[in-house]
Amino acid sequence: KNEVEQSPQNLTAQEGEFITINCSYSVGISALHWLQQHPGGGIVSLFMLSSGKKKHGRLIATINIQEKHSSLHITASHPRDSAVYICAVSWESGNQFYFGTGTSLTVIP
Amino acid sequence: DTAVSQTPKYLVTQMGNDKSIKCEQNLGHDTMYWYKQDSKKFLKIMFSYNNKELIINETVPNRFSPKSPDKAHLNLHINSLELGDSAVYFCASSHLSRGYEQFFGPGTRLTVL
Repeated sequence: KNEVEQSPQNLTAQEGEFITINCSYSVGISALHWLQQHPGGGIVSLFMLSSGKKKHGRLIATINIQEKHSSLHITASHPRDSAVYICAVSWESGNQFYFGTGTSLTVIP
Repeated sequence: DTAVSQTPKYLVTQMGNDKSIKCEQNLGHDTMYWYKQDSKKFLKIMFSYNNKELIINETVPNRFSPKSPDKAHLNLHINSLELGDSAVYFCASSHLSRGYEQFFGPGTRLTVL
């Protein structure tokens, strides 16, 4: 069993739709990370959060520490949002990470 | 300016060979990492290293060894390569002041024949 579970595994949406990707974890953490991996392979950090909610442009990330759950929302989705979104959790002062299996998102024009 | 760089981008080699992948960061970060991404795109941490401590994921074979000549570099050396080592290897760095937010290199695709 993976310590970090993501859903859905695959997601296809029409341009403009509101998208939600979920992440649940089973360990105590110091932070939760949302990463984006584009088809070209590069990985970028979208958010790092330990409580509450963060917003960056059309992306919103929330976390509920008590329920060990986080969501990544994309408003007004666009084909350029097509990528794999990966949830990860860290602890022990950033020395340990567990990753989810990723959610492959395709946004159709 | 490239923040985290890796060389080479692609590496094709025969089973049994020894190879190294280099990683450099110019962000002034204090912690560097190596990750392995398998064919199913699953990421797994291999090592994390700051100037005080090396943390090794217990599942990593001892054929893999990180070498850090200085704080800006963490190279990955692999001995006696096996077919199962084929994967994409990512280097990353972070800093305590940014809560260990990860900055990734572009990845090195290793193919063992």
